[in-house]
Amino acid sequence: DTGVSQDPRHKITKRGQNVTFRCDPISEHNRLYWYRQTLGQGPEFLTYFQNEAQLEKSRLLSDRFSAERPKGSFSTLEIQRTEQGDSAMYLCASTILLTGRKETQYFGPGTRLLVL
Amino acid sequence: DAKTTQPPSMDCAEGRAANLPCNHSTISGNEYVYWYRQIHSQGPQYIIHGLKNNETNEMASLIITEDRKSSTLILPHATLRDTAVYYCISGNEKLTFGTGTRLTIIP
Repeated sequence: DTGVSQDPRHKITKRGQNVTFRCDPISEHNRLYWYRQTLGQGPEFLTYFQNEAQLEKSRLLSDRFSAERPKGSFSTLEIQRTEQGDSAMYLCASTILLTGRKETQYFGPGTRLLVL
Repeated sequence: DAKTTQPPSMDCAEGRAANLPCNHSTISGNEYVYWYRQIHSQGPQYIIHGLKNNETNEMASLIITEDRKSSTLILPHATLRDTAVYYCISGNEKLTFGTGTRLTIIP
């Protein structure tokens, strides 16, 4: 499968614990996005990278959230001191930005987080 | 990013064409219209996008009005597997999803 992959697919944790999610984009895609989706709502943008550079962060991304893409390939999203309100589906998407072409984002299956 | 408006739900009979409307009256001149769908518990699936002209691919057709203030996604022969939430998005980089249209295909 050459699509976007995410790991783990499901995570249950206790309030106050730290969690880390991984996203592997489609090979050679230079842009990677993170979104969060709560029940009954559409996905909400969190942050995105072009290669290893983090270009934009939403105000939804509190200080407890950090994302990295150290080598411009896979990315990790860490949540420290989880709260019950962090329970959501965390989605990753990737695309390739080429001059003169319109980018299309392709999404992974998501990581569903439940904070007890 | 511009906001879009979609009906919350629609039904369509299996085998018929499903026509999903979207209003994007504040869309900017260089912003595209994207359509994604999401089947329960899966990540959003890209369907189609367009700027000004109508577009067609193997999944669907996209009809954009001349003033670009609205568009319609057409699934020509709906099947039960097309039951999903359909999102219409206008923008360029980060995607701003609304709550979409829940399309139910009726056998």
